[in-house]
Amino acid sequence: EADIYQTPRYLVIGTGKKITLECSQTMGHDKMYWYQQDPGMELHLIHYSYGVNSTEKGDLSSESTVSRIRTEHFPLTLESARPSHTSQYLCASSPRWDYEQYFGPGTRLTVT
Amino acid sequence: AQSVTQLDSQVPVFEEAPVELRCNYSSSVSVYLFWYVQYPNQGLQLLLKYLSGSTLVKGINGFEAEFNKSQTSFHLRKPSVHISDTAEYFCAVSEAGNQFYFGTGTSLTVIP
Repeated sequence: EADIYQTPRYLVIGTGKKITLECSQTMGHDKMYWYQQDPGMELHLIHYSYGVNSTEKGDLSSESTVSRIRTEHFPLTLESARPSHTSQYLCASSPRWDYEQYFGPGTRLTVT
Repeated sequence: AQSVTQLDSQVPVFEEAPVELRCNYSSSVSVYLFWYVQYPNQGLQLLLKYLSGSTLVKGINGFEAEFNKSQTSFHLRKPSVHISDTAEYFCAVSEAGNQFYFGTGTSLTVIP
């Protein structure tokens, strides 16, 4: 079982609030990813990182930002939440020389 | 960018019957191929992966998949399904092992 954690698991928040979704892994993986998942849709990559101080935007345009100050930690921040941000957010990690991604349990975000 | 097509959004099947979940991808260049399973309120878990070598890949829980380069397909099969196989199944493709592209998922329902 993969050791990758996401908090909170569920979050309901009002429009305009700033939120941070936490993701941590204890496997020492270099690569980490954030995906957005909506029902009946493919997972969309919104951010990824190849290591400390490395962050890139994915294919899906997002108003969120990420940071990678420590190998094990990859938080995602929304400066001003909107109802269009309502979705499930999945964090994943992968070793440098492997192609398998390990996923966290997800954060289900609802913006009212 | 790659695109991944899972033509069947929902597949109902009776318990102990065989099942095939279809996956086609767009690119003919060398790719890495994956199947993931997602149970309710959980993250994705790797079922199996194809990186190179034998085109028939065996995974966990009795699943297997066959890579067909000429048809750009990677269909998932199980000869006899159980109730516990009820879940969402995602096919994914990666060209360089860094970015992953996912299909829209197939919801497998096993009927007692």
